[in-house]
Amino acid sequence: QVTLKESGPALVKPTQTLTLTCTFSGFSLRNSGMRVSWIRQPPGKAPEWLARIDWDDDKFYRTSLKTRLTISKDTSKNQVVLKMTNMDPVDTATYYCARTRPRENWFDPWGQGTLVTVSS
Amino acid sequence: SYELNQPTSVSVSPGQTASISCSGDNLGDRYASWYQQRPGQSPVLVIYEDSKRPSGIPERFSGSNSGNTATLTISGTQAMDEADYYCQAWGSSTAVVFGGGTKLTVL
Repeated sequence: QVTLKESGPALVKPTQTLTLTCTFSGFSLRNSGMRVSWIRQPPGKAPEWLARIDWDDDKFYRTSLKTRLTISKDTSKNQVVLKMTNMDPVDTATYYCARTRPRENWFDPWGQGTLVTVSS
Repeated sequence: SYELNQPTSVSVSPGQTASISCSGDNLGDRYASWYQQRPGQSPVLVIYEDSKRPSGIPERFSGSNSGNTATLTISGTQAMDEADYYCQAWGSSTAVVFGGGTKLTVL
């Protein structure tokens, strides 16, 4: 059974850096073609893809947020970490991680999500 | 940048067929996926590669994609199908795009 679970602070202040961890089981990022993405969803709005890391450590970012995002992985711990700098209230959202298997272009499954509120 | 457009809301009576559209430039040249999101829950994949159903998704869910429009069809709609539905495609080799979402009301 494949599961992913996000963890991190529920509240961050404006200008701070957000660090989120996705801990997964049931698959390995050592496997060729495997990928993990971060996706966020502001309250009442559609999901928005943020970043992706591949089994070979290739990294891809949303163009509009590229300067603020860093994605990394710890294969031995089955974890993917997302850092987002200079947080703003508009970044308030539920943040999800999700898996993509080799040769697929969809997300399945998603984690349970973690709500991050940006407020002073 | 690539965009996907969905109707804000669709209503259907129980037992009837619901159709949710997703439009984008030459969307038919790309694969479309669909996700169901019930209140307070994470999105769940219900259709991938335009028309395929993941294991565990009821047969009443189907999909198509041609020209500029992908369509999610729910036949014999049930009350449990009331949810938000999002389409998704790849705008480029690395850029993922989601539609704005459609709230399906079963009444």
